[in-house]
Amino acid sequence: EAGVAQSPRYKIIEKRQSVAFWCNPISGHATLYWYQQILGQGPKLLIQFQNNGVVDDSQLPKDRFSAERLKGVDSTLKIQPAKLEDSAVYLCASSYYGNTIYFGEGSWLTVV
Amino acid sequence: DAKTTQPTSMDCAEGRAANLPCNHSTISGNEYVYWYRQIHSQGPQYIIHGLKNNETNEMASLIITEDRKSSTLILPHATLRDTAVYYCIVYDFGNEKLTFGTGTRLTIIP
Repeated sequence: EAGVAQSPRYKIIEKRQSVAFWCNPISGHATLYWYQQILGQGPKLLIQFQNNGVVDDSQLPKDRFSAERLKGVDSTLKIQPAKLEDSAVYLCASSYYGNTIYFGEGSWLTVV
Repeated sequence: DAKTTQPTSMDCAEGRAANLPCNHSTISGNEYVYWYRQIHSQGPQYIIHGLKNNETNEMASLIITEDRKSSTLILPHATLRDTAVYYCIVYDFGNEKLTFGTGTRLTIIP
């Protein structure tokens, strides 16, 4: 069974530029998560979807971050404009309605 | 906030059993204990979970105390590839969220 797919794996951008990350969850998984992991810290939840609806986006910095999951499958996380403190790993994860959550390999962002 | 307390780091000799403790004294009756690990530059990997009974799978064993206030993850024969950060997480199926702490950095010594 294929796991959670993410791209790009690595991205370097200048501050004030924009970036987008893509996630394809495990087939059949209704719940999709985006986490941010800053170096040396545990992952922090940014947003949670169930199918194509947002369940929790309370930790998403909405002035610069946006996410969508249009057909209840793939999802895109966008940052615009990026700040230096956005340098982190962005992890996508999915689960079947709250059962065990599985993570992708992550997208590494460096803002210079 | 994470509801667990773990040691910051531990060492274990290769081939020996690695025992990673976790305190979760405020765990509720319907909350599970989940363990994940994260090897450098990879996403968190699911290891095992349990509610109140001890659990074993091909990767590890999970021992939960009778009062459920603490647990121990056991890697029976540690290898160098087990070097990683191990996260103990209290999980509520109701809100379907994993809240990570800072985990335990386990180093396997040759």
